[in-house]
Amino acid sequence: KAGVTQTPRYLIKTRGQQVTLSCSPISGHRSVSWYQQTPGQGLQFLFEYFSETQRNKGNFPGRFSGRQFSNSRSEMNVSTLELGDSALYLCASSLSAPSSKDTQYFGPGTRLTVL
Amino acid sequence: GQQVMQIPQYQHVQEGEDFTTYCNSSTTLSNIQWYKQRPGGHPVFLIQLVKSGEVKKQKRLTFQFGEAKKNSSLHITATQTTDVGTYFCVFTSGGSYIPTFGRGTSLIVHP
Repeated sequence: KAGVTQTPRYLIKTRGQQVTLSCSPISGHRSVSWYQQTPGQGLQFLFEYFSETQRNKGNFPGRFSGRQFSNSRSEMNVSTLELGDSALYLCASSLSAPSSKDTQYFGPGTRLTVL
Repeated sequence: GQQVMQIPQYQHVQEGEDFTTYCNSSTTLSNIQWYKQRPGGHPVFLIQLVKSGEVKKQKRLTFQFGEAKKNSSLHITATQTTDVGTYFCVFTSGGSYIPTFGRGTSLIVHP
């Protein structure tokens, strides 16, 4: 079974731009969660989608949004990029239970650099 | 608010020595998970603990959940260079389904 895939792997943007990241979960997994990892703040939960609906949301501004498609693939969007948005963005998939109660399988991440 | 501390932040050991990382909470946890992230890699699920006083073993790794469900530990016996990485506890409490990662303990094993 193929693992979680994320595209692109690396991205460089400038302040004020917007960016869209993509995640394809493991086949059969219906839950997709997104995390931001930075040296200063560690790993922080952004949001979780299940059956095309946002099920849980972390404490991030509205510039961070996401969606999930009928095939469980998910995208996250960050608008009006700030320097502090530079981070590794990780996607994780799980079968169905809330991500905090289930085994999560992480993708390799997208390294976003904002200049 | 909920306060969870993961300690130590870093641990240097000689190969063959034991290693322990702790997660301590000020509130009762619903469950706790442990993940490992190798340098340059992504987190990989190790275990989930749900019951008070639960102990689980995976080869050289022993995971414990405290009786009061306020603390947890991961112990590695006789470390190997392949154990290098950052170990995270992930927890929820109350009725929340928001997973919160501890700050992690980075294990460095010297051959």
